[in-house]
Amino acid sequence: AQSVTQLGSHVSVSEGALVLLRCNYSSSVPPYLFWYVQYPNQGLQLLLKYTSAATLVKGINGFEAEFKKSETSFHLTKPSAHMRDAAEYFCAVRNSGGYQKVTFGTGTKLQVIP
Amino acid sequence: NAGVTQTPKFQVLKTGQSMTLQCAQDMNHEYMSWYRQDPGMGLRLIHYSVGAGITDQGEVPNGYNVSRSTTEDFPLRLLSAAPSQTSVYFCASSYRAKNIQYFGAGTRLSVL
Repeated sequence: AQSVTQLGSHVSVSEGALVLLRCNYSSSVPPYLFWYVQYPNQGLQLLLKYTSAATLVKGINGFEAEFKKSETSFHLTKPSAHMRDAAEYFCAVRNSGGYQKVTFGTGTKLQVIP
Repeated sequence: NAGVTQTPKFQVLKTGQSMTLQCAQDMNHEYMSWYRQDPGMGLRLIHYSVGAGITDQGEVPNGYNVSRSTTEDFPLRLLSAAPSQTSVYFCASSYRAKNIQYFGAGTRLSVL
């Protein structure tokens, strides 16, 4: 079985500060990992994905995530927060091989303080 | 491209009523899924489909029905609405298993 744990349902950072959103996964096979962002009253949009090509994955809007197998982590970072980054962020895991269900974390709401 | 289109955007039902949430995609994607989003619980998979004529249950399928007669459409039916089905529903599609999912804008459903 696969699962995802996102630490912290709410994270607040000052504008210009480092953003760090934590995600730990559990998977019995090499996983595909995703980060999605949801702006208010909208659907989810992909930020980035890991599919085993490279451990450091760069996404849109300056976000990146590093896959650490030894720590079973896939934390999302951005060096400098912007007001427009305020949204809810979801980590998701999908097992490789055939069609496998995607399991989402419970989400982290990011607040950016001016 | 329209992407993934969900209708309606908002709906209010009375307990016991039935309705169908529509989902259509124009990207020729094989895989389509329905999720519900509830505060503090993330997205939970209701049903999914790996192609026309093939559907399977997700983690919270009770009270919902799906069919996939065409590649483009994947409607979700609420058989007899209950207050516990008050939620935001998202439809998503992807080309293959490892590809990203594209989400619709969602349907906000309230069951009174």
